[in-house]
Amino acid sequence: DAGITQSPRHKVTETGTPVTLRCHQTENHRYMYWYRQDPGHGLRLIHYSYGVKDTDKGEVSDGYSVSRSKTEDFLLTLESATSSQTSVYFCAARTDSYNEQFFGPGTRLTVL
Amino acid sequence: EDQVTQSPEALRLQEGESSSLNCSYTVSGLRGLFWYRQDPGKGPEFLFTLYSAGEEKEKERLKATLTKKESFLHITAPKPEDSATYLCAVEGGSEKLVFGKGTKLTVNP
Repeated sequence: DAGITQSPRHKVTETGTPVTLRCHQTENHRYMYWYRQDPGHGLRLIHYSYGVKDTDKGEVSDGYSVSRSKTEDFLLTLESATSSQTSVYFCAARTDSYNEQFFGPGTRLTVL
Repeated sequence: EDQVTQSPEALRLQEGESSSLNCSYTVSGLRGLFWYRQDPGKGPEFLFTLYSAGEEKEKERLKATLTKKESFLHITAPKPEDSATYLCAVEGGSEKLVFGKGTKLTVNP
């Protein structure tokens, strides 16, 4: 368990507004990830980070940006939210020894 | 491109009725195959990692096995509390996890 928390846990917003989701870990893991989970698609990688200020794109990165200024925090930003970004968002951190990813509790985002 | 296919999509069992879930994969340079359990409204919970063909791991009523093309999650004498969605994922040379769509297991008392 990587001691991962996510905030907020639920959010409803309107199309065109910016949204930032926060992921916080307590175990000092180097790698962190953002996924979205939608019915019929499973978990898909949005962005990931392999260290402070080091990030890269995943499978579904369009419309999203990330930042990591501290090891423990990984932020996901939707610059201008769209209805297609309504989803459940999960953050994960990977252990350094066994490559196992541990997930946070998720954020349910609704874009109206 | 790494791919994971899980079957069946849904499975209903009676309590005590053993069965298996399948995870077929194609990956370039397998670094690990992972099984997770996910309860409604919660994040995936890590169960097992398998690294090479022939490897097996057990936890309570669950046993995971791995071949070069697929993995099985065997559930022996399941209980209602085993009801959940089980996710399979692989990590290849890209060092990113690719997930299957999951198998929703329901165990009736």
